Amino acid sequence: DTGVSQDPRHKITKRGQNVTFRCDPISEHNRLYWYRQTLGQGPEFLTYFQNEAQLEKSRLLSDRFSAERPKGSFSTLEIQRTEQGDSAMYLCASSLAGAEHNSPLHFGNGTRLTVT
Amino acid sequence: AQSVSQHNHHVILSEAASLELGCNYSYGGTVNLFWYVQYPGQHLQLLLKYFSGDPLVKGIKGFEAEFIKSKFSFNLRKPSVQWSDTAEYFCAVKGGGFKTIFGAGTRLFVKA
Repeated sequence: DTGVSQDPRHKITKRGQNVTFRCDPISEHNRLYWYRQTLGQGPEFLTYFQNEAQLEKSRLLSDRFSAERPKGSFSTLEIQRTEQGDSAMYLCASSLAGAEHNSPLHFGNGTRLTVT
Repeated sequence: AQSVSQHNHHVILSEAASLELGCNYSYGGTVNLFWYVQYPGQHLQLLLKYFSGDPLVKGIKGFEAEFIKSKFSFNLRKPSVQWSDTAEYFCAVKGGGFKTIFGAGTRLFVKA
């Protein structure tokens, strides 16, 4: 178990630019989640994949945000035309679906985005 | 819609003091409940979880939590805190569906 890996750890970008983050979940985990966390708040759910299928997407996720998990392994989260309000920590988590449908989330260290 | 409320945003305790962090949730159906902890510079990790059965659940490092269904509560406790318990603690609930909803977190600082 090498844990959930996220890249990059930090990203500073200018308003209007596009950014892409990558998440590598724990290899045997078939569920993958993206969350966003701002200062003083808990993680807010953004979207969820089971294998390669995106099954749920939060209303928080505007059309500037898109997530993919093309082969059911790693995932990318892209933000187009970034705004200062997008500055946050973006967290990826994975879990295992199966006989125990409610396995807990395993989080990565996150990608901290700063939009200037 | 599900929501989670944590009563305290900041708690300061001396070592050996007892800890209780409040958590209430809103969801009418069957829930799975969690406490996650984030130590300084580390990622979020599971402290303990409740799925069913005994409402008093024990986690790592001497933590425990009690699920009181009638009060929609899942409070976290530890009889005697240590300096190394300094961290941010998040209560979380998973009801119908696949997403886990988190509270705003409680920052605990333990004075040595």
